[in-house]
Amino acid sequence: NAGVTQTPKFRVLKTGQSMTLLCAQDMNHEYMYWYRQDPGMGLRLIHYSVGEGTTAKGEVPDGYNVSRLKKQNFLLGLESAAPSQTSVYFCASSYSGGTERYTEAFFGQGTRLTVV
Amino acid sequence: TQLLEQSPQFLSIQEGENLTVYCNSSSVFSSLQWYRQEPGEGPVLLVTVVTGGEVKKLKRLTFQFGDARKDSSLHITAAQPGDTGLYLCAILGGSQGNLIFGKGTKLSVKP
Repeated sequence: NAGVTQTPKFRVLKTGQSMTLLCAQDMNHEYMYWYRQDPGMGLRLIHYSVGEGTTAKGEVPDGYNVSRLKKQNFLLGLESAAPSQTSVYFCASSYSGGTERYTEAFFGQGTRLTVV
Repeated sequence: TQLLEQSPQFLSIQEGENLTVYCNSSSVFSSLQWYRQEPGEGPVLLVTVVTGGEVKKLKRLTFQFGDARKDSSLHITAAQPGDTGLYLCAILGGSQGNLIFGKGTKLSVKP
């Protein structure tokens, strides 16, 4: 079972370059999330989606854009990369959210991005 | 202000020792989750607690949800090197119920 797959796993960008991170899930989940993880900061939510065609801002959305054109895919874009965006990025998906009490988030293996 | 406060931030112990890590908040939650993240991997769900005072056991790991549903603890008995990792607590929050994580406790168990 693939679960949640992120591509690429590693990337080095120069300041000002753009790139797109792809997240794909095969569990028919409604909710998908993009987090960044930095030392001492835990997991911080960038953007999320509660269904195909919908997106919403999380805690740290500046400098990122997202799209959810297909239910199984959630794309994270960096239009003009900055060194402050050096981080490990995790995609996750869950069956539901909102008022549901039982929601397990399934995570990808992460993308380690370095902006020089 | 961090919604979920985890303590301690770091913990380094010897194999065989017992330990407890905490997840605290001033808010009441309908449920709380614990995840473990091993180096180079994404977090994986360990348990969900939903009832005040609830205790759940997963082999050597014991999870407790506070009576007032504002805090939770994770106790590990006879820690092993395989327990090494980042332990994260999480709740459903935000305007549309997205998951919110604490900063985690980084545990290192030395042989």
